[in-house]
Amino acid sequence: AQSVTQLGSHVSVSEGALVLLRCNYSSSVPPYLFWYVQYPNQGLQLLLKYTSAATLVKGINGFEAEFKKSETSFHLTKPSAHMSDAAEYFCAVSVKKSNDMRFGAGTRLTVKP
Amino acid sequence: DTAVSQTPKYLVTQMGNDKSIKCEQNLGHDTMYWYKQDSKKFLKIMFSYNNKELIINETVPNRFSPKSPDKAHLNLHINSLELGDSAVYFCASSVRGYTDTQYFGPGTRLTVL
Repeated sequence: AQSVTQLGSHVSVSEGALVLLRCNYSSSVPPYLFWYVQYPNQGLQLLLKYTSAATLVKGINGFEAEFKKSETSFHLTKPSAHMSDAAEYFCAVSVKKSNDMRFGAGTRLTVKP
Repeated sequence: DTAVSQTPKYLVTQMGNDKSIKCEQNLGHDTMYWYKQDSKKFLKIMFSYNNKELIINETVPNRFSPKSPDKAHLNLHINSLELGDSAVYFCASSVRGYTDTQYFGPGTRLTVL
């Protein structure tokens, strides 16, 4: 079965600094990869998703992620962090004709003023 | 206009009780899901329903039962509540299946005393 591993349960950056959240996947067939964000006391919201159309995926709020098959990675980046980016971020994977979605353990992003 | 709504937002109850959580989506999606998020933020799929047909049941105790009166609703019934059932439960929906974007409700925080 497919799976994802998020490296780092907690990432702290200064406002204006680069945000890099790491996600590695495991799948025997082409994966569909997602990044979701969860703000405190809210449900999850899609940031972006990879569906094999393009390896560099742009999402909402200035986030983007690059699919690297050779590294089995789908890291999330943002050039300049805002205070409002503080949240929990989840990487997730699914595959076609699958009845499953696997989430990573989440990475909590803290943004310092 | 809330896309995916859940009621109640908070639910506090005693061990052994039976409770229900309601979920409604107004997106016209074909598939709805229930997830459980534990205290460490780990998300696990519990059920998914597609056109009133249960697609998957991930090692969930049979005390949990989903009920879908129509395509727009997927309610979660829990019998004989246990301490370990305390968690946040999220409802979600997608156009078809797991490779599509999922839209999440705001969550229901269940506390079993």
